Amino acid sequence: QITLKESGPARVKPTQTLTLTCTISGFSLNTLGVGVGWVRQAPGEALEWLALIYWDDDKRYVPSLKNRLTITGDASKNQVLLTVTNVDPSDTATYYCAHLIVTGPTGNAFDIWGQGTMVTVSS
Amino acid sequence: QVVLTQSPSASASLGASVRLTCTLSSGHSDYIISWHQQQPQRGPRFLMSLNSDGSHSRGGGIPDRFSGSSSGTERYLTISSLQSEDEADYYCLTWGSGIFVFGGGTKLTVL
Repeated sequence: QITLKESGPARVKPTQTLTLTCTISGFSLNTLGVGVGWVRQAPGEALEWLALIYWDDDKRYVPSLKNRLTITGDASKNQVLLTVTNVDPSDTATYYCAHLIVTGPTGNAFDIWGQGTMVTVSS
Repeated sequence: QVVLTQSPSASASLGASVRLTCTLSSGHSDYIISWHQQQPQRGPRFLMSLNSDGSHSRGGGIPDRFSGSSSGTERYLTISSLQSEDEADYYCLTWGSGIFVFGGGTKLTVL
């Protein structure tokens, strides 16, 4: 059974760096075709994709935040980390990690989601 | 870059059917999308992937009351025999040019 669980600080101050951890089980980051992504949702807003890491360490980012995001994978710990630098109140959101599936030659989707972790950016 | 457009809201009666629409921007009619449900105060749940020809693959445990279809740049999610627990936000998601894009979501109210 595939599961993902997010963890991280509930509150960070503006300008600080936020580090979130996604702990996975039921699959390995080393397995061909595997990927894990991060998605966030500000209060009352829509889902927003942030980043994706593949089994071969290929990484993708949403263009609007690319210079502030870093996604890393640690297969030995079954973890995927997301760092967000120079946070401000607009980064207040629930952050989700999710398991990637390939839906076709040109398609990807997330088929298993974590429960999410809420982060508030406030001084 | 592809854009996904969804109506902000929809409503239908208990036991009835409803069809939600996700529209791909022009030139992207061959894109595969996925549908995701988010019940109040819960995380998203994968419902299905949906191809341009209307073929679809539901996620584990998703009842066949949820079905998908396609026409041109439009992707549909049809929910039949509406239940109270179907009241939720529904998002479409696609992958293109190396990035994911979400639609703005549709809030479904079950009357």
